[in-house]
Amino acid sequence: EAAVTQSPRNKVAVTGGKVTLSCNQTNNHNNMYWYRQDTGHGLRLIHYSYGAGSTEKGDIPDGYKASRPSQENFSLILELATPSQTSVYFCASGGGGGAGNTLYFGEGSRLIVV
Amino acid sequence: QQKVQQSPESLSVPEGGMASFNCTSSDRNFQYFWWYRQHSGEGPKALMSIFSDGDKKEGRFTAHLNKASLHVSLHIRDSQPSDSALYFCAARAQTGFASALTFGSGTKVIVLP
Repeated sequence: EAAVTQSPRNKVAVTGGKVTLSCNQTNNHNNMYWYRQDTGHGLRLIHYSYGAGSTEKGDIPDGYKASRPSQENFSLILELATPSQTSVYFCASGGGGGAGNTLYFGEGSRLIVV
Repeated sequence: QQKVQQSPESLSVPEGGMASFNCTSSDRNFQYFWWYRQHSGEGPKALMSIFSDGDKKEGRFTAHLNKASLHVSLHIRDSQPSDSALYFCAARAQTGFASALTFGSGTKVIVLP
């Protein structure tokens, strides 16, 4: 099964501070994604990437940047963290070969902004 | 309005019983559906996919898809305590967003011993 690893698993940040969430996948998947999970909203897509060097906006990109320096790594960056960004963030990867491909998720990064 | 809506929000089922819950899409571009399961403290894991009209069975789990109404359901037979989890319906269009999935808000299933 695909392996997706996130770090840190837990983070407390101050309002206005910079936060970087990292994701690594070892299955050579082309596509990677960042979602956030909030009660009542399910998982919502923030940014995604087709491959190294590419980043695209998802459904809720405001306040977030993304970076894909290599096939394996995909980072989510909060330049100026706000309390509304308190959430659980999930990274996922997928083969991207067609509509039938399954996404594989990491274990999540819990972020609290105080 | 969310493009993928799930019901109910939560349900309880006795051990050994049948759990059933639903998902409806309001976007006709969504033609591919998944069920994901998330145990507390973990990431979501794909349970099963369904792309064609009718039933698809995998072990104790049966998914049903009606493409005309964009309605998907999941039925868990002989529910076990390990089935207690948050179940997400997810959908995908043929194109766009690098095959990203759009998720519903989830159904919490509690299996009572």
